[in-house]
Amino acid sequence: DAGVTQSPTHLIKTRGQHVTLRCSPISGHKSVSWYQQVLGQGPQFIFQYYEKEERGRGNFPDRFSARQFPNYSSELNVNALLLGDSALYLCASSLGEVWGGYTFGSGTRLTVV
Amino acid sequence: AQKVTQAQTEISVVEKEDVTLDCVYETRDTTYYLFWYKQPPSGELVFLIRRNSFDEQNEISGRYSWNFQKSTSSFNFTITASQVVDSAVYFCALIGTNTGNQFYFGTGTSLTVIP
Repeated sequence: DAGVTQSPTHLIKTRGQHVTLRCSPISGHKSVSWYQQVLGQGPQFIFQYYEKEERGRGNFPDRFSARQFPNYSSELNVNALLLGDSALYLCASSLGEVWGGYTFGSGTRLTVV
Repeated sequence: AQKVTQAQTEISVVEKEDVTLDCVYETRDTTYYLFWYKQPPSGELVFLIRRNSFDEQNEISGRYSWNFQKSTSSFNFTITASQVVDSAVYFCALIGTNTGNQFYFGTGTSLTVIP
């Protein structure tokens, strides 16, 4: 079985632009979570989606949004990019809404210039 | 509030030495899970272990061992006879059952094993 896949792997954007990051969960997993990892820090929770509904949101501005599709894949959108949004964005999938065994993808490394 | 502290930012050891990575946590949840993840330069978080709050039994897996002590809110990780392949950033993390939908990660410990 394929693991959690994220695309693209690397991305360079200019300040003020918009970006969309994509995540495909492990087959059968209904929950997708997004994390931001700034260089030198631990991952920070952004969103969790379960059965296409938002189930949790971290302390991030409204410029960050996400959605989950009927096939349980997910997109993370960031508007009006700032230099500080440069980070590794990790997606994790799990069977259930709460702890059910999370698997992380390799992440999308976003650089904002 | 949930918080995980990894006081050691960077550690260097010579190959074959033992090394212990410290993790201290804070939570008000009575039921919670503690984790260790390894992050190689590729970026993927590799799961190492999960421990629930009711199981304080120490665990050994090959060269890895974990010491969980609720009395001191610590969940330390020891690598015995370190190898160059152990070089990575290691994260300790917590999920509380009242906030079971998100991990709280520490800031990580960067381990370098020198050949």
